[in-house]
Parts: sequence; structure tokens; C-alpha cells
Amino acid sequence: AQSVAQPEDQVNVAEGNPLTVKCTYSVSGNPYLFWYVQYPNRGLQFLLKYITGDNLVKGSYGFEAEFNKSQTSFHLKKPSALVSDSALYFCAVTLSYNTDKLIFGTGTRLQVFP
Amino acid sequence: GAGVSQSPSNKVTEKGKDVELRCDPISGHTALYWYRQSLGQGLEFLIYFQGNSAPDKSGLPSDRFSAERTGGSVSTLTIQRTQQEDSAVYLCASSTPSPTREQYFGPGTRLTVT
Repeated sequence: AQSVAQPEDQVNVAEGNPLTVKCTYSVSGNPYLFWYVQYPNRGLQFLLKYITGDNLVKGSYGFEAEFNKSQTSFHLKKPSALVSDSALYFCAVTLSYNTDKLIFGTGTRLQVFP
Repeated sequence: GAGVSQSPSNKVTEKGKDVELRCDPISGHTALYWYRQSLGQGLEFLIYFQGNSAPDKSGLPSDRFSAERTGGSVSTLTIQRTQQEDSAVYLCASSTPSPTREQYFGPGTRLTVT
């Protein structure tokens, strides 16, 4: 069965420091991988996706993620965190041959301190 | 253009009552999804509609849950004989068909069963 793991419930980082939010996946075929962000009292917003091609994908708000097939990971990164990046981040996966339903991780709360 | 809209934004109901939650997808999006977000549980897939195909109901937690999509647009999620464990935020999303697969989420309906 497909699954996504986000091993950290919360990540704390100081403003200006680099941040990483971890995600690993388990699928039986070629994955499509996504990151979504949920700001307080707002819906989920798409950040970035990996479909095929370059393993490093860039998304909104300066975020990027690297697809690593051998480690089955898709960690979210940003070189310099902002206080406004504080939010709940979800990693999700679907399969290229399957329906479009997404399997989400449990979410990681990112807290950026001034 | 307008995003995905959901109504009501909040619903408080007594245990045992039926509730209907509504979703208006983005115009032109043929795929529509319902998810449930419970505290500490992440996002749980419920049901998926794609065009005129039979819906993927594999995520519905019990036969008290059902959903319809009329005219390929608006969708209604119905929960019969609500239970306290049904309390959650119910999220609707829509997307264009493959290959982009980005899902656009509505703000959600917060359901509280007392």
C-alpha cells in the first residue's frame, strides 16, 4: 500500500537559518510527489511537485525539494527561513498509473522564531 | 478566478442528526475530491469523482457517509446519524485532469458533533 511518512511533528528554526522538513514515501510504482502548506485558518495551498525529470524542484515562496529515489525521500528545503513560513506542511504522493487521489503524510508544523 | 468554495464554513450538530456539506469546484475542473482532517490524524482521503466515471469511494469510513456530484460540478457530502468521532474539518479539492495533478483546496467545513 502507498504511504507517506513525515517523521517530525514539529520543526523549529531561527529566522534566517536554513530549514528542512522531511518526507519519505513507500509506493510500488513511479511516484508523483507533492508538498502543500496550510497557514492558520486557511486552506491547503500547493507548494511544489515532482513528476519527472530534474530531481530538484523549485516551488512557491523560495521553497525547493529534492527527489531521492534510492532513499525514497522528498525533503522540503529553504535556504533562509522567514517567520511568515510558520505553518503546517504536508507531503503527499500519488501514482502515475493510478487515480489522482493523494495520500498525505500526517503533517509537520514548522515554527520559525525571530 | 474564483477558487473552490465550501459551505457552511462551520456546522454544529447534535449526535444522531444528518448533515450535508457542499463543495463548488473551480469551473472546468473535472476531478473533485473530499478529504477529512482530524486533529492529529492528518488528511484522510474520502471519495474522488472524475468526470462521468464511477466515483472512487474507497476512503469512506462507513456506510453513513455518501457523496454525490450533480451535473459534473457541485458536490454534496452527506453524513447520516452523525457521531462524535465525525467531528473534523472536511476539505474539498478540485483539479484538471492529468498530467498536472495539482489539487486546489477549499477552505473547509468544520463539523462539530455534540
